Amino acid sequence: QVQLVQSGAEVKKPGASVKVSCKASGYTFTSYGISWVRQAPGQGLEWMGWISAYNGNTNYAQKLQGRVTMTTDTSTSTAYMELRSLRSDDTAVYYCARDNELMTSSLDYWGQGTLVTVSS
Amino acid sequence: DIQMTQSPSTLSASVGDRVTITCRASQSISSWLAWYQQKPGKAPKLLIYKASSLESGVPSRFSGSGSGTEFTLTISSLQPDDFATYYCQQYNSYSPEFGPGTKVDIK
Repeated sequence: QVQLVQSGAEVKKPGASVKVSCKASGYTFTSYGISWVRQAPGQGLEWMGWISAYNGNTNYAQKLQGRVTMTTDTSTSTAYMELRSLRSDDTAVYYCARDNELMTSSLDYWGQGTLVTVSS
Repeated sequence: DIQMTQSPSTLSASVGDRVTITCRASQSISSWLAWYQQKPGKAPKLLIYKASSLESGVPSRFSGSGSGTEFTLTISSLQPDDFATYYCQQYNSYSPEFGPGTKVDIK
C-alpha cells in the first residue's frame, strides 16, 4: 500500500533552517511527484511547492521563493523540503503528498505531517 | 494568481441532511478542481478530483460538480463520520491554491 512517512517534529530558533524528509513506499517513486503543503495552527492549507521525482523539476510558491528548496533521493525514494531563514509565522504542520510527475495535480496520498515550531 | 473562495465558512447540519458546499475561482480553471476532507490532527484526504471524479474508496454519498469558476461538493446524506473541514483546491495554474475551508459541525 502507498505510504508516505515523514520525519519527526522539530523546534528551531528564528533564522535557522529546517529539513523535513518524506519516505515513500508502495509505488514507483520516479513515476510521480511530491507536493509540500503546510498548515499553521488553526489555519487552512497552504501549497508550498512541487518536485517531480521523475526529472527533478520544481515549482515553488512565489512567497517562498529563495527560502525553500525541494529535492529527492531516488535511491531511497525520499523527498526533502528545506526551509531557511525561519520566522515565527513558519510554525506549522508540514505535509508531503503524492502528486503528478509532470505537473501539479490532485494529491491522493499524504504523509502524517511534521510539526515545525519556530520559537526563540 | 487564482484566488479561491468557499461558502459557507461553517455549516451546522444533522445526520441524514443533504449538504452542499460551494467553491468559486477568481478565473476559469476548467475542471481542474479537487475536494479534500480533513479531521482534527489528521492529514487531508482526497475525495473528488477533476471536479466530479470520485476517488477510489470514497463513499458514493459524496459528489462533485461544476466547471469554469463555480463548483459544488454535495454530501447526499450526512453521516457521523462526515463532520470535518472540507477544502477545495485548484490545480489549473502553476500556483495551486486551496480554498479557506468549510467546517461542517453538528447542529
